[in-house]
Amino acid sequence: RKEVEQDPGPFNVPEGATVAFNCTYSNSASQSFFWYRQDCRKEPKLLMSVYSSGNEDGRFTAQLNRASQYISLLIRDSKLSDSATYLCVVNSYSGSARQLTFGSGTQLTVLP
Amino acid sequence: DGGITQSPKYLFRKEGQNVTLSCEQNLNHDAMYWYRQDPGQGLRLIYYSQIVNDFQKGDIAEGYSVSREKKESFPLTVTSAQKNPTAFYLCASSEREATNEKLFFGSGTQLSVL
Repeated sequence: RKEVEQDPGPFNVPEGATVAFNCTYSNSASQSFFWYRQDCRKEPKLLMSVYSSGNEDGRFTAQLNRASQYISLLIRDSKLSDSATYLCVVNSYSGSARQLTFGSGTQLTVLP
Repeated sequence: DGGITQSPKYLFRKEGQNVTLSCEQNLNHDAMYWYRQDPGQGLRLIYYSQIVNDFQKGDIAEGYSVSREKKESFPLTVTSAQKNPTAFYLCASSEREATNEKLFFGSGTQLSVL
């Protein structure tokens, strides 16, 4: 089982739709969680951190479920510019070292 | 402006050749990282360094080497021992003890084999 798993998609949604991505992680001792956005052949950029109580940033809502070991990202009122790959990232300790593990990404295409 | 600079953007390697990818940051970050990304896959850690003159192997270090002689610089050498080097390489940095280890990425180097 992969440490961090995501549905690869692709998700093709019309403009204005609401879309949700899930990500599961296997290490129950994981410390912190993030969503990164990556455009084609570009570097990933931090979209938002994921807090235990859930957090919202404009049209984006992130949630964490520690009991079930998954995080989610909800995008409301999708824009064409939201088309990208969304990477789930989990931060956990391996021995004394902090280690970030990336999911393989979920591809989103917002259609006009 | 502070940031991370990777060069070159595109690099071609001949069989049996070693090539070096450059990564420079002026963010005063202690930690630096090299990742490899293959099409449709997530990032895999090659090497990381938490402090000058020290570095650790990541998940896929075989066929690669690094050095960290200066805080600002973390070059990656892809050696001839790396039999499948074609990939997108990303360098990143972070504050050493940041609680939420936000990574700052360079713009990447696409390495291809001739």
